[in-house]
Amino acid sequence: EVQLVESGGGLVKPGGSLRLSCAASGFTLNNAWMTWVRQAPGKGLEWVGRIKRKTDGGTTDYAAPVKGRFTISRDDSKNTLFLQMRSLNTDDTAMYYCTTDTPIYIDYYVMDVWGQGTTVTVSS
Amino acid sequence: DIQMTQSPSSLSASVGDRVTITCRASQGISSYLNWYQQKPGTAPKLLIYGASNFQSGVPPRFSGSGSVTDFTLTISSLQPEDFATYFCQQSYSIPRTFGQGTKVEI
Repeated sequence: EVQLVESGGGLVKPGGSLRLSCAASGFTLNNAWMTWVRQAPGKGLEWVGRIKRKTDGGTTDYAAPVKGRFTISRDDSKNTLFLQMRSLNTDDTAMYYCTTDTPIYIDYYVMDVWGQGTTVTVSS
Repeated sequence: DIQMTQSPSSLSASVGDRVTITCRASQGISSYLNWYQQKPGTAPKLLIYGASNFQSGVPPRFSGSGSVTDFTLTISSLQPEDFATYFCQQSYSIPRTFGQGTKVEI
């Protein structure tokens, strides 16, 4: 069974840092593009960023609100995805989901497998 | 960035009702449009991709249509398990963007 399990969330003070992990099972992470999506309490879904697989360059893209503060990385040998978050502020309080970014057609990617999420709360 | 606008933001319906949710993109996205269903306390689930293609396991009462800027999600006969929030999302360009969601309530 394909599964994603996030961890590492918690309470952090404004200005602090946190690293989230996403453990993949049931498939080989090194073949996958991966994405992080977040959802503030009672709000909609917000795309955070993605990382391509290494054979496609392993490059990353980020949403404007997190660019320069968040870094997505991967350790394919451990089948694990990471989200390093720095300079956190209260607007970053959310449930963070990792998802696979799967090609349906050439240049058409969908977020089809989701983890259960991990909660990040930024508060003094 | 491409803005995705859904309407309505919420609706009340009964079991057996036909429900239609619309999604409009701020610029043309061809058919690069996906629909997700989210129930409280759970992760979103992909329902439809490419505007009108079912994800595996999705009941046929769900259907999607549209192209370029205007899209719809239709539930032909609402079932108790369909009460949830639905989001559209474009896969046309980066950053990926979502609609604000439509909550389907009793």
